[in-house]
Amino acid sequence: DIVMTQTPLSSPVTLGQPASISCRSSQSLVHSDGNTYLSWLQQRPGQPPRLLIYKISNRFSGVPDRFSGSGAGTDFTLRISRVEAEDVGLYYCMQATQFPPITFGQGTRLEIK
Amino acid sequence: EVQLVESGGGLVQPGGSLRLSCAVSGFSFSTSWMTWFRQAPGKGLEWVANIKQDGSEKYYVDSVKGRFTISRDNAKNSLNLQMNSLRAEDTAVYYCARGARTTDYWGQGTLVTVSS
Repeated sequence: DIVMTQTPLSSPVTLGQPASISCRSSQSLVHSDGNTYLSWLQQRPGQPPRLLIYKISNRFSGVPDRFSGSGAGTDFTLRISRVEAEDVGLYYCMQATQFPPITFGQGTRLEIK
Repeated sequence: EVQLVESGGGLVQPGGSLRLSCAVSGFSFSTSWMTWFRQAPGKGLEWVANIKQDGSEKYYVDSVKGRFTISRDNAKNSLNLQMNSLRAEDTAVYYCARGARTTDYWGQGTLVTVSS
């Protein structure tokens, strides 16, 4: 199984400042079809998960452009250019290149300082 | 508008059974892979199972193999999860989601509590 490791697990950020979350996979996430099935999901308190980014860097419909994804192979990053209050919550990376099983990072808690 | 609405959760004793359903609307269900995830209280996300468009391929996390069965009814736009031999560690909010490699829409979830 592919192990996903996120850092940091907690990220206190000042409003208006940038934030960055890293995700590392134990194996390359490049699929034989050429795609890399690495997604980022946001879970606000008391809410279900919501897709932010898919295939490393594609922003899902309705996601603000302050969210961006980058990376390749085994190392990936989610960046928020200017944190807003509504960004508080948990962020998960998810790999679906090699399933079963689909696997997640442990989650990173974004909080406001 | 895309909607996924889970139902069927509740309190069940260890060893018991529950059947979860996910009613979908707003997209072509019959052409979509579908997935079940779960989240134990205070814990992270876990993939449970997924099913191909025509039901010909099904995959499960090891911990539920032989106990859970995923199925779908394309005529009724419905996804199901039959859960048997439930254990305390199956206690979680269960979410259905559209897709497999990219899960773009998620339901609100239904809580399953396994306790005596």
